[in-house]
Amino acid sequence: IQMTQSPSSLSVSVGDRVTISCRASQDIRSNLGWYQQKPGKTPKLLIYAASTLQSGVPSRFSGSGSGTDFTLTINSLQPEDFATYFCLQNYNYPLTFGPGTKVDIK
Amino acid sequence: QIQLQESGPGLVKPSQTLSLSCTVSGGSVDSGGQRWSWIRQHPGKGLEWIGNIYYSGITYSNPSLRRRLRLSVDASKNLFSLMLNSVTAADTAVYYCAREPHLGAAAGIDPWGQGILVTVSS
Repeated sequence: IQMTQSPSSLSVSVGDRVTISCRASQDIRSNLGWYQQKPGKTPKLLIYAASTLQSGVPSRFSGSGSGTDFTLTINSLQPEDFATYFCLQNYNYPLTFGPGTKVDIK
Repeated sequence: QIQLQESGPGLVKPSQTLSLSCTVSGGSVDSGGQRWSWIRQHPGKGLEWIGNIYYSGITYSNPSLRRRLRLSVDASKNLFSLMLNSVTAADTAVYYCAREPHLGAAAGIDPWGQGILVTVSS
């Protein structure tokens, strides 16, 4: 299953609303997660099952979608949110990640 | 809470075997309910799923690596391991171990180890 993300990068300001899209090459139901990775750091799980917020993750993060099209939304971007975001399908093996979306400061 | 820690050599010669272990603390590799996985990230690139193993020894792996890959689990030491043979410079990456839910489960990959950089070079 191929995963694509758009955009590949975006420049935003603190307080902005950010939307990142992830598309699967076939129906993966709701078997999608979103991960945040900062430079030199380990990926962090934000959302699983397309829309369930991982414990401890701020509520400004939300996920939606099912089937082939998914969205990660960050409301009121905070300074600590500048990072790269990856989607991952866990519907079938091999698990596959999207190529990532880098969110940086405008 | 469960924590994972990778260990192994940071430098491997071309054509040799890359061997890494992941020690699990705060939980047991044979507790069931999850799989134990390896994921790698080439420098400056995205994430690549390598494969996973269940405590029973059943494995799933990426077809791109399958013929060179061996995954194992040692419940007595509470760790799981990866061996990748015939390595080349293309295997240079940060290798992460992680806890992975069963396929289709309403859960994500969490936690992850801190990652270990393995460089393939003579």
